[in-house]
Amino acid sequence: EVQLLESGGGLVQPGGSLRLSCSASGFTFSTYAMSWVRQAPGKGLEWISSIGDIDDTTYYADSVKGRFTFSRDNSNNTLYLQMSSLRAEDTAVYYCAKDLFGDFDSWGQGTLVAVSS
Amino acid sequence: QSVLTQPPSVSAAPGQKVTISCSGSSSNIENDFVSWYQQFPGTAPKLLIYDNNKRPSGIPDRFSGSKSGTSATLGITGLQTGDEADYYCGTWASSLSAPVFGGGTHLTVL
Repeated sequence: EVQLLESGGGLVQPGGSLRLSCSASGFTFSTYAMSWVRQAPGKGLEWISSIGDIDDTTYYADSVKGRFTFSRDNSNNTLYLQMSSLRAEDTAVYYCAKDLFGDFDSWGQGTLVAVSS
Repeated sequence: QSVLTQPPSVSAAPGQKVTISCSGSSSNIENDFVSWYQQFPGTAPKLLIYDNNKRPSGIPDRFSGSKSGTSATLGITGLQTGDEADYYCGTWASSLSAPVFGGGTHLTVL
């Protein structure tokens, strides 16, 4: 059974930094692209970043480009999302998702990031 | 404002059928596959339909998907109160080189 478990969320001040982690199990982690999708309170889904399986190529939404860095550790089946220069509009639940050619076929339970002074 | 347009809400009675539309353009829906996600309050989304009309293992055949031109449709038959949820469409937007989602549709089964 595929399991994805996010951690690292919390309250951070504007301009601050936070690192999210996503621990994966139940599938051959290194052979799948992975993504982060966020959902602001009461709002819809927003894709923010993806990372390739083999070459670790990363892709970012314009809203986070230059501020967020997505990486993976295939030896520990873990994803990392380093977030910096955080803004109020980054407040959201952050989900990691298994990316099957653009279909997000498994999701974690999400971790809440709140940016506020 | 979402790239893909969905009605904010739809409703139908138990046992009935409902459809949820997802409208896009030639730079997204028309030239790529569409997926649908179901999300209950306080929980993560779940893949319901992929590649326009395919169901992952475990998804009942009461759920169906279709696509025509720049629009896609999710159909749910034999509605149950347990189907009350938010539903999102998604696809690839070539103009943005990114996956995009619709704004979501809340289904009420009354």
